[in-house]
Amino acid sequence: DVKVTQSSRYLVKRTGEKVFLECVQDMDHENMFWYRQDPGLGLRLIYFSYDVKMKEKGDIPEGYSVSREKKERFSLILESASTNQTSMYLCATQGLAYNEQFFGPGTRLTVL
Amino acid sequence: DAKTTQPPSMDCAEGRAANLPCNHSTISGNEYVYWYRQIHSQGPQYIIHGLKNNETNEMASLIITEDRKSSTLILPHATLRDTAVYYCIVGYSGGGADGLTFGKGTHLIIQP
Repeated sequence: DVKVTQSSRYLVKRTGEKVFLECVQDMDHENMFWYRQDPGLGLRLIYFSYDVKMKEKGDIPEGYSVSREKKERFSLILESASTNQTSMYLCATQGLAYNEQFFGPGTRLTVL
Repeated sequence: DAKTTQPPSMDCAEGRAANLPCNHSTISGNEYVYWYRQIHSQGPQYIIHGLKNNETNEMASLIITEDRKSSTLILPHATLRDTAVYYCIVGYSGGGADGLTFGKGTHLIIQP
């Protein structure tokens, strides 16, 4: 079974803090994604990566950056957290041989 | 904007077949229809996908109309654990690092 893990299920940070959200997968998938999910807005793509050190902006990249130094790990970085970044963050992976994406359990981030 | 239209909510009795409709009238010739579901407080889970032909797996069946403008996901014997939000998504086949565009989905409630 594909396993996608995220570093925390719940996280509380203060405005202005630098926040790291980590995603690790064990299936050697090439593609990895970060989404955020908000009530009434559904899932929105923040960034994705199709290879180590490669990254592409999604629909809402402002205020975020990403890092992919190793194939299995994709990090989402909030350089200076703001209250409007309070959300559920979901990581997903997809292998070249697969049509579907596999999601992690999500991290619920609250910025105070 | 999501390229699919789904009813916001549906009820179904436990043990009955749940039939979830989806309209995707602007689907292009090489786009697939994907279904995911999201149980409360978890990440989305892939269910099934198809291009033209009807598909069946251990979780569900997917019926796609001949003109491909709509489809129906069928859960043959719904259980209480099938209560979730179901998302119908159109997109290209795997391999490309395309993020998924999730709409608001259908909240399926299985009644005991």
